[in-house]
Amino acid sequence: EVQLVESGGGLVQPGGSLRLSCAASGFTFSDHFMDWVRQAPGKGLEWVGRARDKGNSYTTEYAASVKGRFTISRDDSKNSLYLQMNSLQTEDTAVYYCARIRRGIFSFEYWGQGTLVTVSS
Amino acid sequence: DIQMTQSPSSVSASVGDRVTITCRASQGISNYLAWIQQKPGKAPKSLIYAASSLQSGVPSKFSGSGSGTDFTLTISSLQPEDFATYYCQQYNSYPLTFGGGTKVEVK
Repeated sequence: EVQLVESGGGLVQPGGSLRLSCAASGFTFSDHFMDWVRQAPGKGLEWVGRARDKGNSYTTEYAASVKGRFTISRDDSKNSLYLQMNSLQTEDTAVYYCARIRRGIFSFEYWGQGTLVTVSS
Repeated sequence: DIQMTQSPSSVSASVGDRVTITCRASQGISNYLAWIQQKPGKAPKSLIYAASSLQSGVPSKFSGSGSGTDFTLTISSLQPEDFATYYCQQYNSYPLTFGGGTKVEVK
């Protein structure tokens, strides 16, 4: 069974940093691109970014709203995806989901349950 | 960026009704279109990819169609577990973008 479990959310002050983790199990993590998607309270879904696999040199993509502040990384030996968030702003307050990307199709396939990040003073 | 516009933003329906949601892309995206369901307080769930292919385990009452800029999601016979918000999403190009969502509510 595919499982994606996010952790690391919490309350942080504006300008602060936070690192989210996504622990994957039930599939060969190294075979898949992985994404982060967020959802502000009462709002829709917003794509944050992507981490490609080893075959694609672990390259990344980011939404303009987070580029230069957020960094996505992965550790295939630990079956884990990470989101390092720096210079956090109040508008970054959201539930952050990790998602597995379908191989060869590149659509979202499975989602984690999410972790809440609150940026507030 | 490709803008995804869904209509209606909400729909009231009864159990057994047929419900259709439309999604329009601001430019052609071939069939790189997905539909995602989200229930209140829950994680999103992928339903359809490549405009019309069902995710494994998704019941056949869900169907998708379209190509280019215009797409539809149809629920053939609404059941209590189908009351949720539905999002379309394009993966033709970066940044990936979502529609604003369609809330399917009990009439």
